[in-house]
Amino acid sequence: DVKVTQSSRYLVKRTGEKVFLECVQDMDHENMFWYRQDPGLGLRLIYFSYDVKMKEKGDIPEGYSVSREKKERFSLILESASTNQTSMYLCASRPRQLSPSGNTIYFGEGSWLTVV
Amino acid sequence: DAKTTQPTSMDCAEGRAANLPCNHSTISGNEYVYWYRQIHSQGPQYIIHGLKNNETNEMASLIITEDRKSSTLILPHATLRDTAVYYCIVRVAWAPLVFGKGTRLSVIA
Repeated sequence: DVKVTQSSRYLVKRTGEKVFLECVQDMDHENMFWYRQDPGLGLRLIYFSYDVKMKEKGDIPEGYSVSREKKERFSLILESASTNQTSMYLCASRPRQLSPSGNTIYFGEGSWLTVV
Repeated sequence: DAKTTQPTSMDCAEGRAANLPCNHSTISGNEYVYWYRQIHSQGPQYIIHGLKNNETNEMASLIITEDRKSSTLILPHATLRDTAVYYCIVRVAWAPLVFGKGTRLSVIA
């Protein structure tokens, strides 16, 4: 089974702190994604990466950056956390092949971040 | 990208078939229909996808109308563990998925 592991399930950080959310997948997938989920707004795409060292902005990249130094790891960075970044963050991965199954993506369990 | 319309919520009796509709009248020829579900406090889980033909797997069946403007996800024998939010997504195979609000399915004992 594909496993997408997010390093922290629950975090509490202070305003202005630098926050790292780590995600690791064990299926040699090329593509990785970061979403956030908020009540009433659904899942929104923050950043994604098609391969190592590559990154693309999603729908809401402001206030975030990402790092993809190794294929299995995709990090989401909040340079200076703010209270409006309190949310659940979801990491996902999928293989590169452009088959109909290319959008069978696998999600981690989520990281609940509270910024106080 | 095609937009989808789903009912906000639905109820289903345990053991009965759950039929979840999705309208996607602006779907284009190279867009697939994907269904995911999200059980409370977990990440979304892939269920099934299709292009033109009806599809079935161990979890569900997907019925796509001939004009492809709508589809129905069928859970043949719903259980309490199928209570979740179900997302219908229309997307080309290579683009990141965009999730809408989905349908909140409640399976009732």
